[in-house]
Amino acid sequence: KAGVTQTPRYLIKTRGQQVTLSCSPISGHRSVSWYQQTPGQGLQFLFEYFSETQRNKGNFPGRFSGRQFSNSRSEMNVSTLELGDSALYLCASSPGTGSLGETQYFGPGTRLLVL
Amino acid sequence: AQSVTQPDIHITVSEGASLELRCNYSYGATPYLFWYVQSPGQGLQLLLKYFSGDTLVQGIKGFEAEFKRSQSSFNLRKPSVHWSDAAEYFCAVGGSSNTGKLIFGQGTTLQVKP
Repeated sequence: KAGVTQTPRYLIKTRGQQVTLSCSPISGHRSVSWYQQTPGQGLQFLFEYFSETQRNKGNFPGRFSGRQFSNSRSEMNVSTLELGDSALYLCASSPGTGSLGETQYFGPGTRLLVL
Repeated sequence: AQSVTQPDIHITVSEGASLELRCNYSYGATPYLFWYVQSPGQGLQLLLKYFSGDTLVQGIKGFEAEFKRSQSSFNLRKPSVHWSDAAEYFCAVGGSSNTGKLIFGQGTTLQVKP
């Protein structure tokens, strides 16, 4: 099976703009999670989607949003970009069976640079 | 509050030497523990996970980890390090059903000397 794919891989934006990142999960996986990785804050959970519904949300401002489509593909959007939003954004998918300790499979990430 | 601590930010070992990366967690319920590795410019690859049962868990690439509930630890070990093991290692905890949310430690960067 193909792994988790994320597009684009690299992105440069300026402050105030908005950006949309895309994630295609492993075939058959129904749960998609997003994480932000920065040198200062490390890996932080953004949100999780299952069956097109947000199931869990991290402690991020409302500028960060996401959605999931019926084919389980997910997008996240960041509006009014700030310099501090520069980060590697990682998407992870899991089967979504509700099993305890379900493994998350990560994509290669999208590197966002805000100037 | 749930948290994961990796006390060592950076570790350097010689190729062929043994390795132990430390991980301590704070979690109210039964934890499910994971170790991931990240090479530069790459996503995270799962090395191993502890779910239940045997507290010594075997993973890929010759890694193993031991869950010690009394010490709230889940240290990662490898008997003989290879140069290709140089990467950043993350310990993570997840737990409840109906969520895939993981809480990560800050990571440990491993450098391997020839």
